Amino acid sequence: SAVISQKPSRDICQRGTSLTIQCQVDSQVTMMFWYRQQPGQSLTLIATANQGSEATYESGFVIDKFPISRPNLTFSTLTVSNMSPEDSSIYLCSVDEANGETQYFGPGTRLLVL
Amino acid sequence: SQQGEEDPQALSIQEGENATMNCSYKTSINNLQWYRQNSGRGLVHLILIRSNEREKHSGRLRVTLDTSKKSSSLLITASRAADTASYFCATRAAGTYKYIFGTGTRLKVLA
Repeated sequence: SAVISQKPSRDICQRGTSLTIQCQVDSQVTMMFWYRQQPGQSLTLIATANQGSEATYESGFVIDKFPISRPNLTFSTLTVSNMSPEDSSIYLCSVDEANGETQYFGPGTRLLVL
Repeated sequence: SQQGEEDPQALSIQEGENATMNCSYKTSINNLQWYRQNSGRGLVHLILIRSNEREKHSGRLRVTLDTSKKSSSLLITASRAADTASYFCATRAAGTYKYIFGTGTRLKVLA
């Protein structure tokens, strides 16, 4: 299974600022996924990031708020822009296993916005 | 709603007892997966069951799938305090690459 790391593991930020979360995978993958998990809730897909093309955003999420980069097949970043307390969540990146059947997750970034 | 439904939302049992969680979903699927999440950390993959399978076992875990009822269950036998976590099902609809997550069950195993 893929080994995924995320940085930072947690952060406390002031409203109005931006935070960039990094996701690194130990193997080349076609698609990387970014999820948000609000306190006490389930996971909601933010966007899918493919290398060499713009990310595909889910309904309710926009590029201006959550810009994503995917410079190569092992790395992606998600920026949470102009943060408000409502952005306080765990942000998780994930990738598909090589056979495309199983999705593996990074350890998550726990964000608190004051 | 994007999400499937899981029940119960919360479950508290004694160590050694069995825990059963249920997941319902809305569309035809390729597979269904169960994940565990400890204390708001990352998700750990537990088991995958394909749409043409009815039951799978992995250690103390038993998963069933009923595609006619669009439902699945996760049974944890002989539970331990270390099983305390949130459990999520996730389905991949046929013809898509996206997973839809259930609402989750918070399991607490009392020592």
